[in-house]
Amino acid sequence: NAGVTQTPKFQVLKTGQSMTLQCAQDMNHEYMSWYRQDPGMGLRLIHYSVGAGITDQGEVPNGYNVSRSTTEDFPLRLLSAAPSQTSVYFCASSLNSNQPQHFGDGTRLSIL
Amino acid sequence: KQEVTQIPAALSVPEGENLVLNCSFTDSAIYNLQWFRQDPGKGLTSLLLIQSSQREQTSGRLNASLDKSSGRSTLYIAASQPGDSATYLCAVGVDSNYQLIWGAGTKLIIKP
Repeated sequence: NAGVTQTPKFQVLKTGQSMTLQCAQDMNHEYMSWYRQDPGMGLRLIHYSVGAGITDQGEVPNGYNVSRSTTEDFPLRLLSAAPSQTSVYFCASSLNSNQPQHFGDGTRLSIL
Repeated sequence: KQEVTQIPAALSVPEGENLVLNCSFTDSAIYNLQWFRQDPGKGLTSLLLIQSSQREQTSGRLNASLDKSSGRSTLYIAASQPGDSATYLCAVGVDSNYQLIWGAGTKLIIKP
């Protein structure tokens, strides 16, 4: 019963590097999203998708790209890492808007 | 713009006490409200989801209430246990598009 799987769990990058955070779910959920969590703040939505081929911006999309080629996968790409992107990143999925969101364990990202 | 506040930021109580966690929101036109639990270094686990038409939801020792007119929700935990120690977050669904606005959380410590 995998649920939502995020990889890697930890990553350290240098400023300017790019990378992709992976997210996969095996529950056939249409909705998937990426959040970032910073100390003392609530989660902030980066991008979300309501189905394969459909993505949209959340509250803080700048510096991030997403794609949704399959129902299962929703990768998040950092184009050119900046220290301000140091954070914990969570991927979540949901069957529909009136069902709870299921979260992965997070990716802890540090940008030096 | 919807804003969600959770006060206090931290709470420490002896084991066995009943306790209430608070969540307030500024716009009463919500779609739903969810309570989550987050353990250190882990993702979020959904506890309760209250639809906008509902007044409360219960699961075991947990009871969540919703009062849209006053912009408040409470999470009641009965007979607290050390295993209840975690950060509790509330999130308001603003529309059917799945987007959630998050509070910063209340860190709960239950002392044995």
